[in-house]
Amino acid sequence: DGGITQSPKYLFRKEGQNVTLSCEQNLNHDAMYWYRQDPGQGLRLIYYSQIVNDFQKGDIAEGYSVSREKKESFPLTVTSAQKNPTAFYLCASGQSYNSPLHFGNGTRLTVT
Amino acid sequence: AQSVTQLGSHVSVSEGALVLLRCNYSSSVPPYLFWYVQYPNQGLQLLLKYTSAATLVKGINGFEAEFKKSETSFHLTKPSAHMSDAAEYFCAVSTYNNDMRFGAGTRLTVKP
Repeated sequence: DGGITQSPKYLFRKEGQNVTLSCEQNLNHDAMYWYRQDPGQGLRLIYYSQIVNDFQKGDIAEGYSVSREKKESFPLTVTSAQKNPTAFYLCASGQSYNSPLHFGNGTRLTVT
Repeated sequence: AQSVTQLGSHVSVSEGALVLLRCNYSSSVPPYLFWYVQYPNQGLQLLLKYTSAATLVKGINGFEAEFKKSETSFHLTKPSAHMSDAAEYFCAVSTYNNDMRFGAGTRLTVKP
């Protein structure tokens, strides 16, 4: 079955450490996205990529980095510069600007 | 960038009553509008989408939404609420830039 896989489901890290969240899709979608979800704030766009080897900052890119070396993969690194990294992170993919996004089941990151 | 505002972070209805979840958008170019539903600790699932065809859009599980350009609104309705409709609902807007943005969400509670 086609879909988006995010791993791991739960992730714990100590403050000051970088951590990379995995996102893989087998839907053959060109565009991929990372969102951060916090209670009462909805989904906020971190980064998105419309094509391999290209990506754009979203609304809250500071403290995060991404790469898009393969069409299927769009990993997100949460760096130590991110001041409040504890959150639920959602990865998504889409075929075009007027198509709905397909979401993974998310990674809950806790930094202490 | 485009944006959406969802009026009411929490809506509570009785089973069998009308569901009305409000969404207003802001976009300088023709928007593509979506409603998604999220169950706890999961990703988002598409309910319905507006992509400039019919202004009244029917989705899954009996939901529908009407695009009103003059009011910049895309409110979600369901004639009769079911217990299984309890979830969080997100309105989203996308443009040809392929950068989908979400509202803060509305949590729907259905009372027996």
